[in-house]
Amino acid sequence: AQTVTQSQPEMSVQEAETVTLSCTYDTSESDYYLFWYKQPPSRQMILVIRQEAYKQQNATENRFSVNFQKAAKSFSLKISDSQLGDAAMYFCAYRRRGGSEKLVFGKGTKLTVNP
Amino acid sequence: EADIYQTPRYLVIGTGKKITLECSQTMGHDKMYWYQQDPGMELHLIHYSYGVNSTEKGDLSSESTVSRIRTEHFPLTLESARPSHTSQYLCASRAGTGYEQYFGPGTRLTVT
Repeated sequence: AQTVTQSQPEMSVQEAETVTLSCTYDTSESDYYLFWYKQPPSRQMILVIRQEAYKQQNATENRFSVNFQKAAKSFSLKISDSQLGDAAMYFCAYRRRGGSEKLVFGKGTKLTVNP
Repeated sequence: EADIYQTPRYLVIGTGKKITLECSQTMGHDKMYWYQQDPGMELHLIHYSYGVNSTEKGDLSSESTVSRIRTEHFPLTLESARPSHTSQYLCASRAGTGYEQYFGPGTRLTVT
């Protein structure tokens, strides 16, 4: 079975600085997707960024970028120029392409942004 | 924000009561999901549906049941609520060929 591990329960960063959140996963599949979701306090969970496993190029969305290391099964999220609004729980998630296509989530990392 | 709605947002109810948590989406998505999330913890899939009249149990065993009579509606029912059901319940949907799951705001259920 696929598993997703986030080894940092909590992280903090100063406003305008850069922070990296870690995620590792375990799968025997070769075709899958990886996601980072953001869940602000008392607000809806939203997708931050996604990566297709067959793409070697790391995904980037404005201040958010990933470091995808397929062989190492590692998928970290880098947030540049951190803003107060980035404070949230961040969940790494995996989904196999095809089959049941269910999302498997990590336990999450709580990010605090200090002014 | 995505067009997916959950009601009620908060519910406090006594043990033994029957409850239905509502989830609706206006995006025409055929795939819908229910997750259970304890505070500060990961999400666990409890039910999913790939379309009308299609429902499956998820990875986490749950005493709840679901139905999918209309594409846009995916309610979750607990026949007899217990304190162990206290949790947050998140509904989500996804287009068949889409990447992104869209999440509702959640229902925070407390059973006393």
